[in-house]
Parts: sequence; structure tokens; C-alpha cells
Amino acid sequence: DIQMTQSPSSLSASVGDRVTITCRASQSISNYLNWYQQKPGKAPKLLIFGASSLQSGVPSRFSGSGFGTDFTLTISSLQPEDFATYYCQQSFFTPLTFGGGTKVEIK
Amino acid sequence: EVVLLESGGGSVQPGGSLRISCAASGFIFSSHAMSWVRQAPGKGLEWVSSLSGNGGSTFYADSVKGRFTISRDNSKNTLFLEMSSLKAEDAAVYYCAKGGLLRFLGPWGQGTLVTVSS
Repeated sequence: DIQMTQSPSSLSASVGDRVTITCRASQSISNYLNWYQQKPGKAPKLLIFGASSLQSGVPSRFSGSGFGTDFTLTISSLQPEDFATYYCQQSFFTPLTFGGGTKVEIK
Repeated sequence: EVVLLESGGGSVQPGGSLRISCAASGFIFSSHAMSWVRQAPGKGLEWVSSLSGNGGSTFYADSVKGRFTISRDNSKNTLFLEMSSLKAEDAAVYYCAKGGLLRFLGPWGQGTLVTVSS
């Protein structure tokens, strides 16, 4: 199975900060890497697919990059509504696997 | 607009069975793979199962293989997950999602809660 390792597991940041979350796959997954945002009590929401493609309706402050085993989600200027937990997920092999999540909290 | 609406969750005793459903609308259901993902209380996301558009190919997490069965009724735009021999560790919110096989998961339904307790 492909292991997805996210870091950090949590971070504290202020509104306006640039935030970077990394995700590493245990073997190459090409660009089959997706990012989701989840707020408490809500279903996950797709942000980025194919490592770098922004899902329709998602603000442009979110961006993704990477290929192979190393990937990054960047929020260029953190907004109040961005405080949530973020998950990476590979869709190249079954079993589909998720990272452990990164909780973004208010500093 | 794509809408996914899960139903059928509830409380079941260990060793019991339950079938949950996901009613889909807003897209050509039979053309898309569908998946189930679960989230235990306070934990992360865990993929459970995926199914191709025509229902001919199914995939399961090792943790549920042999106990859960994914299926679909394309005439009713509905996805199912039949769960048997339920264990305490199966307790979770179960989400259905469009996609999953070489594709992103999304959109997602609102989830249905399954509790396993005596």
C-alpha cells in the first residue's frame, strides 16, 4: 500500500500568513494527488486535483505543486474561513490512501 | 448541481448488519465510478470501497474485504454499501463520493453515522 505522510500535523497561523503543507508518497504516484479541506462536522471538500489543478469555485489563494513523491499545498494569504483540516490523497493505486491531515488553527 | 444524499445509518450491535445508501443526482450516474470513505470519531479519512460505473469492477480496503459489499443500481441512481459482521472499529461517519478510480473524490455527500455498540 502507498503511505501518504503529511506534515506538519498541525500549525498555528495568523490571517494573512502564507501557509505550506507538504505530502510525501511512499512511492511515485505521478500527479495523482488531490487535496481536500474539511471543517468540523462537515464533509470534505475538494480543493486541488491532479497535484496542481484548482477545483472550480476554489479561491485562487490555494495552489498545489509536485510530482512523483513530493507535493505541496500552499495558501498564499490565509483567510478566516481557511481554518480547517487539510488532507492529501493519492488516487493512483488502490487502496486509495489519505495523509493523516493537517489542522490549521488560529494563532 | 451534483447532489449526493446518504441514508440508512444507525446503531447496530457487534456482528450485525446494515445497508447504507447514497442517492445521486445532477450527473450521469452510470458514467462515473463511486466510492465510500469513512471517518471514525476524531480520526482521519479512510477509504472503504470503490465501484466502476457499470458495477463490473469493485475494490475494497483490506479492513472490510469479505464483510462489506459495494453495489449500485444505475436505474435508480443509487449507490449501496452492505455491511455485515460489523465490529466496533467500523463505527464512523460514512461518506459517499463521486469518483475514486484514477480520479479525485468529489463532490461528497453529507455522511451517515454508523454506530456499533452492544
